[in-house]
Amino acid sequence: LAKTTQPISMDSYEGQEVNITCSHNNIATNDYITWYQQFPSQGPRFIIQGYKTKVTNEVASLFIPADRKSSTLSLPRVSLSDTAVYYCLVGGHGSSNTGKLIFGQGTTLQVKP
Amino acid sequence: GAGVSQSPSNKVTEKGKDVELRCDPISGHTALYWYRQSLGQGLEFLIYFQGNSAPDKSGLPSDRFSAERTGGSVSTLTIQRTQQEDSAVYLCASSRSITGGGDEQFFGPGTRLTVL
Repeated sequence: LAKTTQPISMDSYEGQEVNITCSHNNIATNDYITWYQQFPSQGPRFIIQGYKTKVTNEVASLFIPADRKSSTLSLPRVSLSDTAVYYCLVGGHGSSNTGKLIFGQGTTLQVKP
Repeated sequence: GAGVSQSPSNKVTEKGKDVELRCDPISGHTALYWYRQSLGQGLEFLIYFQGNSAPDKSGLPSDRFSAERTGGSVSTLTIQRTQQEDSAVYLCASSRSITGGGDEQFFGPGTRLTVL
């Protein structure tokens, strides 16, 4: 299983763009990169997923370089409500078919006014 | 439709007692996952089901932990002879299928277990 490494914590201010980078040096060919967000006292919630290059949705962008050994979650213009723990996961589609996923410690993002 | 539900939301028990935690996944989701989260920690994977089958039980912390799923739907996580270190939030998630992280997991609100 690919292991991920991400910063334990980050601070930001309202209105700023936040970039959280995750390292996954042992990512496999079939692995996708998925980010989840978790607020206190709630279960994690899916944010975005990608395989390579760039993916954008209504809440975030995900940048994946060609070697796919890292990925960067970009949150545009954060607000106080974006204060949460962000988890990076890698796992595969298709033939890898394993449900055992490692969430890791995540990155605690604190947005300040 | 309804999301993943878990019951009870809170459970306080005495050391040595058995507890059962229940998870109702989203209808039609074939994959179901159990995680544990201790205070201030990340998620610890426990077990997953593809249908009623649990191919990998290596994440269960000890033989006091067991889980089953019936009818491809409801799952029960049982902890026998509870210990204080079992105190945590137990989270359940479901997804359409098992794709090793490629399929979005939908999480329930969790069951907060406190062992006195």
